Amino acid sequence: GAVVSQHPSRVICKSGTSVKIECRSLDFQATTMFWYRQFPKQSLMLMATSNEGSKATYEQGVEKDKFLINHASLTLSTLTVTSAHPEDSSFYICSAAAGGNTEAFFGQGTRLTVV
Amino acid sequence: GQNIDQPTEMTATEGAIVQINCTYQTSGFNGLFWYQQHAGEAPTFLSYNVLDGLEEKGRFSSFLSRSKGYSYLLLKELQMKDSASYLCASAAGNKLTFGGGTRVLVKP
Repeated sequence: GAVVSQHPSRVICKSGTSVKIECRSLDFQATTMFWYRQFPKQSLMLMATSNEGSKATYEQGVEKDKFLINHASLTLSTLTVTSAHPEDSSFYICSAAAGGNTEAFFGQGTRLTVV
Repeated sequence: GQNIDQPTEMTATEGAIVQINCTYQTSGFNGLFWYQQHAGEAPTFLSYNVLDGLEEKGRFSSFLSRSKGYSYLLLKELQMKDSASYLCASAAGNKLTFGGGTRVLVKP
């Protein structure tokens, strides 16, 4: 299967600071990337869908000004959590899909802890 | 809209068989995925069904009935390492909607 690399795997930040998470497709061009959030013992909740070169589409209830998504190239998307608060602590996972393929490949996930 | 239901938890014995059911109501449905997720890790792909019927892949099989909005994942010859959460996800276009996940505990 295709490889998607997500970095960092773990990050601890102070409340009020911003954190950037990177998602890279290593061996294919990802026209679409997805960002999910997963709270403990819950399932993955889609936050936003980003297509290369255009603005991300956010799911209902997700603040676009707080969770900034950039998908400037076919191999890289970034999620920036701005002015992080303890309630933003969660497991963030990206996935990437090529062209019109339904199958998307997941990154390793990022455990964010805001203290 | 999308609605995915699967049991919260199941327990089975090593060597046994477990079937995890998933029902869905998905507009623009174009396939059903199953993923395995160990605690603290990202999901790993198990299967994808788009046509009705059973797909077998080693110890794991997945079934789909589009008319009933129903799928199941069958795990045979259970091993301790199969203890994990199993996520059912329906696809509409290239977007996945996940169920709540089923935690499977395999006991010796």
